[in-house]
Amino acid sequence: DTGVSQDPRHKITKRGQNVTFRCDPISEHNRLYWYRQTLGQGPEFLTYFQNEAQLEKSRLLSDRFSAERPKGSFSTLEIQRTEQGDSAMYLCASSSVGDATEAFFGQGTRLTVV
Amino acid sequence: AQSVTQLGSHVSVSEGALVLLRCNYSSSVPPYLFWYVQYPNQGLQLLLKYTTGATLVKGINGFEAEFKKSETSFHLTKPSAHMSDAAEYFCAVSRGGTASKLTFGTGTRLQVTL
Repeated sequence: DTGVSQDPRHKITKRGQNVTFRCDPISEHNRLYWYRQTLGQGPEFLTYFQNEAQLEKSRLLSDRFSAERPKGSFSTLEIQRTEQGDSAMYLCASSSVGDATEAFFGQGTRLTVV
Repeated sequence: AQSVTQLGSHVSVSEGALVLLRCNYSSSVPPYLFWYVQYPNQGLQLLLKYTTGATLVKGINGFEAEFKKSETSFHLTKPSAHMSDAAEYFCAVSRGGTASKLTFGTGTRLQVTL
């Protein structure tokens, strides 16, 4: 399978714990995006990378959130001191460089904070 | 700033009937417009996109959309609905000439009945 891969698919955690999600993009894609989708809403942009550089972060990305793409390949999204409001589907997407190139999405990681 | 409005959070059609999902956008620059489909517990799959050129865009699974600048609309249509079309549909906009960061609408759930 050469699509975007996310791990884990599901995560249940207690409030206050830290969680980390991983995204493996399509191998030749330079750009990698993180989105958050809550129930009944469309995905909301969190951040994106071009190679290893984090080029933009949304105001939604509070200080408790950090994303990395250390070698320009896979990326991790960490949430510290989770809150119930963090419960959502976290989607990763990747694309090649260029105008409006298609973003390919992974299946997402569903986080439930109890 | 860009935004997308999808009119109708739920649309129900009979199998074989016309599908019409509405999308209006707001953008201060020429927009790039997209329609994505999401099946339960899955990521998003691109149906079609408009960048420049022909305003009637054909996508996968028999869907098409027409960019109407005067109406700031990009409605999605399919002449004949199939049971397998039942899913959540998202309209999205990105700024032309920049990275493919997407701003999504809230989605329309399409139900297809016998």
